[in-house]
Amino acid sequence: GDSVTQMEGPVTLSEEAFLTINCTYTATGYPSLFWYVQYPGEGLQLLLKATKADDKGSNKGFEATYRKETTSFHLEKGSVQVSDSAVYFCALSDSGTGNQFYFGTGTSLTVIP
Amino acid sequence: NAGVTQTPKFRILKIGQSMTLQCAQDMNHNYMYWYRQDPGMGLKLIYYSVGAGITDKGEVPNGYNVSRSTTEDFPLRLELAAPSQTSVYFCASSSGGQGENTEAFFGQGTRLTVV
Repeated sequence: GDSVTQMEGPVTLSEEAFLTINCTYTATGYPSLFWYVQYPGEGLQLLLKATKADDKGSNKGFEATYRKETTSFHLEKGSVQVSDSAVYFCALSDSGTGNQFYFGTGTSLTVIP
Repeated sequence: NAGVTQTPKFRILKIGQSMTLQCAQDMNHNYMYWYRQDPGMGLKLIYYSVGAGITDKGEVPNGYNVSRSTTEDFPLRLELAAPSQTSVYFCASSSGGQGENTEAFFGQGTRLTVV
């Protein structure tokens, strides 16, 4: 079945450091891939997405490229800020499985000044 | 721009009580979902619906029921609440299909404690 595996946390970085959160997936069809962010006490918000192979999603300095050959969708940011502290979820949606969404377990990021 | 609205935001239940978590969306989405989020465990799908009158079980449906009488509303019913149902519950919706408009939109969540 479909699944998402993402890097375990928590991750602690200094401000302006480079961020990578790894995400790999298994899917039966041709999924769309997403990164969601959750700030404390809030729901999940879409950060970025990619709907087909080699697409790059980007938003607020974050980027992720849909790599079909490695079944990966790693999240990167060149210079993190304190305000990026949150939990990040990798997810996929597969029309082959009724458009269900499959989420990774989440990676908690703390950025210290 | 209401999006997905969940009520209540917080609730404390006693063991054996029942309650309904409300979820409404105003985006005319066909797909709606209920997830629970436990600490360090990510999101687990409880039930989902692909349209009015159609519901199906997700990964962890035991102890819950849903209905989908309209496109907009997707309430989640807890019967005989148990401590294991202490969690944060999220409702989400999506348009379904493929292409650019496939993302899920989430409500703010309901924090439920069963004592």
